[in-house]
Amino acid sequence: DVKVTQSSRYLVKRTGEKVFLECVQDMDHENMFWYRQDPGLGLRLIYFSYDVKMKEKGDIPEGYSVSREKKERFSLILESASTNQTSMYLCASTEIPGLAGLTTDTQYFGPGTRLTVL
Amino acid sequence: AQSVSQHNHHVILSEAASLELGCNYSYGGTVNLFWYVQYPGQHLQLLLKYFSGDPLVKGIKGFEAEFIKSKFSFNLRKPSVQWSDTAEYFCAVNPHAGGFKTIFGAGTRLFVKA
Repeated sequence: DVKVTQSSRYLVKRTGEKVFLECVQDMDHENMFWYRQDPGLGLRLIYFSYDVKMKEKGDIPEGYSVSREKKERFSLILESASTNQTSMYLCASTEIPGLAGLTTDTQYFGPGTRLTVL
Repeated sequence: AQSVSQHNHHVILSEAASLELGCNYSYGGTVNLFWYVQYPGQHLQLLLKYFSGDPLVKGIKGFEAEFIKSKFSFNLRKPSVQWSDTAEYFCAVNPHAGGFKTIFGAGTRLFVKA
């Protein structure tokens, strides 16, 4: 079974703090993603990475950065946390479907980190 | 704007009732389609997916979905729900033109009364 783990289940930080969320997957997947999940808005893509040291902005990258130094690890960084970044953060990884080019197959999700910024 | 729409945000059913959750998307061209489920306290996980071929796809736990290209729809169905189907369901679309990006609907919370 694919396993995606996230460093914390719950996190409480203060406004202005730098926050690191880490994600590790054990299936040698090329692609990794960070989403935030908010009630009534579903999942929104923050950043994704398709290879080590490669990253692309998703739909809501403002206020976030990412790092992928090793294939199995993808970190999300909040440079200066703000209250509107209080949310559930989900990490996912996926293979690239062999016959469908640069598209996405099943994503495997971590348990999520519920971040509260006070 | 391009989007994925789930028509019902909250659904309440009694056990043994039939379920249909609507999903429409606004992307032209070829798409990969997914339904994910999040049971209370658990990870988001795949329920079923469609890439090509037979537009009626079957997933885990008796769920199925039908892709109707002309309607840009991928509705989820189950003939008889159980209390254990209580969860949040997300429709997701990966347009091939968008590369690796997958766009999720807002989700539908299903509550099944025992």
